[in-house]
Amino acid sequence: DTAVSQTPKYLVTQMGNDKSIKCEQNLGHDTMYWYKQDSKKFLKIMFSYNNKELIINETVPNRFSPKSPDKAHLNLHINSLELGDSAVYFCASSQDERGKQYFGPGTRLTVT
Amino acid sequence: GENVGLHLPTLSVQEGDNSIINCAYSNSASDYFIWYKQESGKGPQFIIDIRSNMDKRQGQRVTVLLNKTVKHLSLQIAATQPGDSAVYFCAEKGGSSNTGKLIFGQGTTLQVKP
Repeated sequence: DTAVSQTPKYLVTQMGNDKSIKCEQNLGHDTMYWYKQDSKKFLKIMFSYNNKELIINETVPNRFSPKSPDKAHLNLHINSLELGDSAVYFCASSQDERGKQYFGPGTRLTVT
Repeated sequence: GENVGLHLPTLSVQEGDNSIINCAYSNSASDYFIWYKQESGKGPQFIIDIRSNMDKRQGQRVTVLLNKTVKHLSLQIAATQPGDSAVYFCAEKGGSSNTGKLIFGQGTTLQVKP
């Protein structure tokens, strides 16, 4: 009965690899987000989708590509991973673009 | 520019005391503010929010105060408990934008001493 779930919880990979993180919400929300939390706990939005349409695209390298196959899913694909991509990535969802955001448990990505 | 920040990185309080966590923001056009709690190894959890047409809002053991004159937001936790130990973030959403872009502050670590 988890509201916002992410897989995997931990991801360790080498530089140059391509990896994906998956997010699913069962709240019936229209809007989903990806955030990046760095080693100093600073949280910054990366992307937002509303009804499968991209509405927020912050200054993120184009190695990062979100994909929303349906309203309940927002995946994040990262190409050519770099050391600086190491962080915790959080997915979130909200009823609409102005609603409260509910966060998933996070995916800790470590690039070696 | 946009900046949401916290005055103190770490706050240590005795169990049972009241805690006050502060936040400063610089975007006077922001109209919605939220406090999140993040426990170790978990995602941020919504605590309480306040819109810019209010200056105070109360929840269960928590109160948020908004002072738009000095662009200051605070979270008060009454009778702090060990389970309140976490990192607390303020976030703002701003102005005329209808998108859900939240801007987060750096976070304050609350340590509750038994």
